Amino acid sequence: KQEVTQIPAALSVPEGENLVLNCSFTDSAIYNLQWFRQDPGKGLTSLLLIQSSQREQTSGRLNASLDKSSGRSTLYIAASQPGDSATYLCAVYRANSKLTFGKGITLSVRP
Amino acid sequence: ETGVTQSPTHLIKTRGQQVTLRCSSQSGHNTVSWYQQALGQGPQFIFQYYREEENGRGNFPPRFSGLQFPNYSSELNVNALELDDSALYLCASSLVRAGGGETQYFGPGTRLLVL
Repeated sequence: KQEVTQIPAALSVPEGENLVLNCSFTDSAIYNLQWFRQDPGKGLTSLLLIQSSQREQTSGRLNASLDKSSGRSTLYIAASQPGDSATYLCAVYRANSKLTFGKGITLSVRP
Repeated sequence: ETGVTQSPTHLIKTRGQQVTLRCSSQSGHNTVSWYQQALGQGPQFIFQYYREEENGRGNFPPRFSGLQFPNYSSELNVNALELDDSALYLCASSLVRAGGGETQYFGPGTRLLVL
């Protein structure tokens, strides 16, 4: 059974800091991995999708990496801003596009 | 291209009642998946429909059921509501081809409160 872990559950950083959010998964036989952002009480916003054949994806200040052999992914956020405050969820794709999610990391960026 | 929409946005029910949540898939998508997200947790897979047939189910009891219609819209039905059913229900659609792993696009969710 695939399990996805995100530690720590919460993180608070000062504005401007570069930070790394970690995600680990137990079964390396995944198709893709996706990072989402969720604002309080809202749905999911897709940030980055890494296909199983790729090692990383970049979008603006965000960079996500994937190491299937070690069962790890990281989301790097450069020059953090208060608007980045949200919960960040990692999810891995199993067969037939079913997703297994971690519990998320709640990020607070202090002005 | 329209995105995934869900209705209603919020809903309050009492224990034992039945509820129907609706989802309209993104145009051109043939698969819809439903997820339950309890407070402080990650979304949990409920089930998926592909071309109107159930195509996989998570660890949810039979009182959770669904339908997918020819226009690829979908319903999630929950019978005999329990307090623990209070959650955000998310719908996601995708265009599944051979091989799997296609990107899922999520709707804004329906927040259900069971009293």
